[in-house]
Amino acid sequence: SSELTQDPAVSVALGQTVRITCQGDSLRGYYASWYQQKPGQAPLLVMSGKNKRPSGIPDRFSGSSSRDSASLTITGAQAEDEADYYCNSRDSIGGHLIWLFGGGTKVTVL
Amino acid sequence: QVQLQESGPRLVKPSETLSLTCNVSGGSLDDRSFFWAYIRQPPGKRLEWIATIYYTGATHFNPSLKSRVAISIDTSNNRFSLNLTSATAADTAVYYCARHQNLVNFDYWGQGSLVTVSS
Repeated sequence: SSELTQDPAVSVALGQTVRITCQGDSLRGYYASWYQQKPGQAPLLVMSGKNKRPSGIPDRFSGSSSRDSASLTITGAQAEDEADYYCNSRDSIGGHLIWLFGGGTKVTVL
Repeated sequence: QVQLQESGPRLVKPSETLSLTCNVSGGSLDDRSFFWAYIRQPPGKRLEWIATIYYTGATHFNPSLKSRVAISIDTSNNRFSLNLTSATAADTAVYYCARHQNLVNFDYWGQGSLVTVSS
């Protein structure tokens, strides 16, 4: 089915590493993109394709993928990284392209 | 720097049409490298892609909304618009317009517009 699944919440100690995962059949054929969303703000693209960071995104953010899953890793989490993170990918249904979002993972930096 | 700004009524009555326009600055809608999209987020819920349009008028729609959605593009005025007919309370959400890069990711977003469907 066309669905992306994420863990609802994860916490990380300041300066430690946290990995956020996304699972779905669409990820077997398409890379995931990742978005950071802080309260009251629009989502911000932080990772795309095969570990591509947009300009201005710190290099503590990295991405990886395997079979039907994708991961976003924050190495040395900072207080400003506390946010909701959403994965997104393309899929095809009946020859028509669609775009899916995961349910989001709330990252708390302790 | 590309900037997108949504505009439109913030309150829509049930059964009426929800209409939004996205004005784009710092970039041209007829740039062949990019597509343009609407995405929404009901309060406390996940993001939901609604539709995407290219400068030629070619479109992609979310199957769950396709029967009620129209999207159009005005390259002369650098804006694109969304109409969602037969609105219900379930359509209450923050609506975002975004640049859809290479039909892969959404790399620039508007600030979002909260539209409430209520009598």
